[in-house]
Amino acid sequence: DGGITQSPKYLFRKEGQNVTLSCEQNLNHDAMYWYRQDPGQGLRLIYYSQIVNDFQKGDIAEGYSVSREKKESFPLTVTSAQKNPTAFYLCASSSRQGDGLSTEAFFGQGTRLTVV
Amino acid sequence: KQEVTQIPAALSVPEGENLVLNCSFTDSAIYNLQWFRQDPGKGLTSLLLIQSSQREQTSGRLNASLDKSSGRSTLYIAASQPGDSATYLCAVRPYGQNFVFGPGTRLSVLP
Repeated sequence: DGGITQSPKYLFRKEGQNVTLSCEQNLNHDAMYWYRQDPGQGLRLIYYSQIVNDFQKGDIAEGYSVSREKKESFPLTVTSAQKNPTAFYLCASSSRQGDGLSTEAFFGQGTRLTVV
Repeated sequence: KQEVTQIPAALSVPEGENLVLNCSFTDSAIYNLQWFRQDPGKGLTSLLLIQSSQREQTSGRLNASLDKSSGRSTLYIAASQPGDSATYLCAVRPYGQNFVFGPGTRLSVLP
């Protein structure tokens, strides 16, 4: 089955600790995205990548870091610099605009991160 | 800057009713519009994708329309069921930009 897999489903972080959220897709999509969702708020873009070895900051990149070493993988690290990391994190992928392909977005099932 | 709004914010209906969810966007220069469903604690599930050249798309009991000139899309759900209860989000893809999401409509279908 093609899709996006996020792991873990639940993650607990201690104060001052870095944690990494995994996102893997087998849809052969070039573009991948990380969003943060807080209760009562919409989705906010953290980072995105249009192609391997390249990524850009979204609207709320401070305290987060990413890498894109493989087309299939786009891990997100929540660093100790992120002061309020408790949230629901969603990974998505799509084809790039201009490739002549549908840019329909597909999402993973999310990771709920809690600071303890 | 593209902005997306959804009305109503929440909706509660008895089972069997037909209903309409609304999505408005401020800039008509979009590549496509997509409707999603989100169940509590879950990711987003794609329901319908409408390309900018299309006027509507249908999937089962769902029908989505797009009027780019007025900056509006509607999601029509026929014969609603309790299993339709979820939050419904719309998102537009502006040319050369990332997706812009609306805040969602929380739907409750009562048995």
